[in-house]
Amino acid sequence: SAVISQKPSRDICQRGTSLTIQCQVDSQVTMMFWYRQQPGQSLTLIATANQGSEATYESGFVIDKFPISRPNLTFSTLTVSNMSPEDSSIYLCSAQGAAGNTIYFGEGSWLTVV
Amino acid sequence: GIQVEQSPPDLILQEGANSTLRCNFSDSVNNLQWFHQNPWGQLINLFYIPSGTKQNGRLSATTVATERYSLLYISSSQTTDSGVYFCAVRAGYSSASKIIFGSGTRLSIRP
Repeated sequence: SAVISQKPSRDICQRGTSLTIQCQVDSQVTMMFWYRQQPGQSLTLIATANQGSEATYESGFVIDKFPISRPNLTFSTLTVSNMSPEDSSIYLCSAQGAAGNTIYFGEGSWLTVV
Repeated sequence: GIQVEQSPPDLILQEGANSTLRCNFSDSVNNLQWFHQNPWGQLINLFYIPSGTKQNGRLSATTVATERYSLLYISSSQTTDSGVYFCAVRAGYSSASKIIFGSGTRLSIRP
């Protein structure tokens, strides 16, 4: 299994600012993903974080709003840019184990934009 | 794309009761997982179960891949079982394919 650490765990942000969320995995993993969970909703995939190259974004999500980095196999960051109250969500980092089946999640980062 | 539907959306039970949660999916899958999200937002992987039956303590799961559904059974419910249960499937057969989540079942166990 993989242990995933995210920070910050919680933050209150001002409208128009940007925040970077960090995700650290305790072992090398093949795939890393970023999800958003809006209040009372399910998880929506934002993008797949690719090691050493640009992330692969899902429909409705763009790099200018959610820039992602993955400089190595165990670390990734997600930036939420120019935040508005609609960006208030839980942002979750996940990683796929080496066997390619089970995925694991970090504790999530709870962002509130005021 | 693949659709994942969960039922019921909400379930309220007394402590000690049993429950069955259902996950239907619209296409063949080779990866299906059940997660529990606790009230603090942490997602815990319960089962990796693309087919067959597995049991872990009071929880068990069955996936009938040919009929495109999976069931999660919780027996002798405890208040700590409260939270949201998600079913997630892989859209495609490559291990690089994305994981799609159902809408979840919110379970509340009353003491």
